[in-house]
Amino acid sequence: KAGVTQTPRYLIKTRGQQVTLSCSPISGHRSVSWYQQTPGQGLQFLFEYFSETQRNKGNFPGRFSGRQFSNSRSEMNVSTLELGDSALYLCASSSSGGLAYEQFFGPGTRLTVL
Amino acid sequence: KQEVTQIPAALSVPEGENLVLNCSFTDSAIYNLQWFRQDPGKGLTSLLLIQSSQREQTSGRLNASLDKSSGRSTLYIAASQPGDSATYLCAVIKGAQKLVFGQGTRLTINP
Repeated sequence: KAGVTQTPRYLIKTRGQQVTLSCSPISGHRSVSWYQQTPGQGLQFLFEYFSETQRNKGNFPGRFSGRQFSNSRSEMNVSTLELGDSALYLCASSSSGGLAYEQFFGPGTRLTVL
Repeated sequence: KQEVTQIPAALSVPEGENLVLNCSFTDSAIYNLQWFRQDPGKGLTSLLLIQSSQREQTSGRLNASLDKSSGRSTLYIAASQPGDSATYLCAVIKGAQKLVFGQGTRLTINP
């Protein structure tokens, strides 16, 4: 089975631009979560989608948004980029909507905002 | 609010040693605890998942234990190898599919 894939792997943007990141979960997985990782804050939860519905959202401004498609692929969008948005963005998939299931992470997208 | 702490932040040991990494959490009402490793600039690799009803899990040279009542988990690595060098992260799920991570332990195994 193929693992979680994320595209693109690297992005360089300038302040004020917007960006869209993509995540394809493991085949059959319906839950997709997004995390931001920075040296100062560590790993922080952005949001989670299950069957095209956002079920939970972390404490990030409204500039961060996401969606999930009927094939479980997910995208996240960041508008009006700020320097502090530079981070590794990771997505994770899980086989079920239940809370006891293992989560599998993709390789991440490294976003640099100049 | 659930907080997860990992001690030590960094650890350096010679090859062949057995070692223990620690993880503590403030809210014992968790569904599961998961250990990951992360190589520099890479994503997270799942090592072990312990569900709330379990006390431990084993995979090869790795053994993870969970004591919910005391809010602690340990990851035991036997016969360490240079390839084990990485950052090890523990994370708990209490609800809503949100993993809460510790800051990680950066492990270096010296040949």
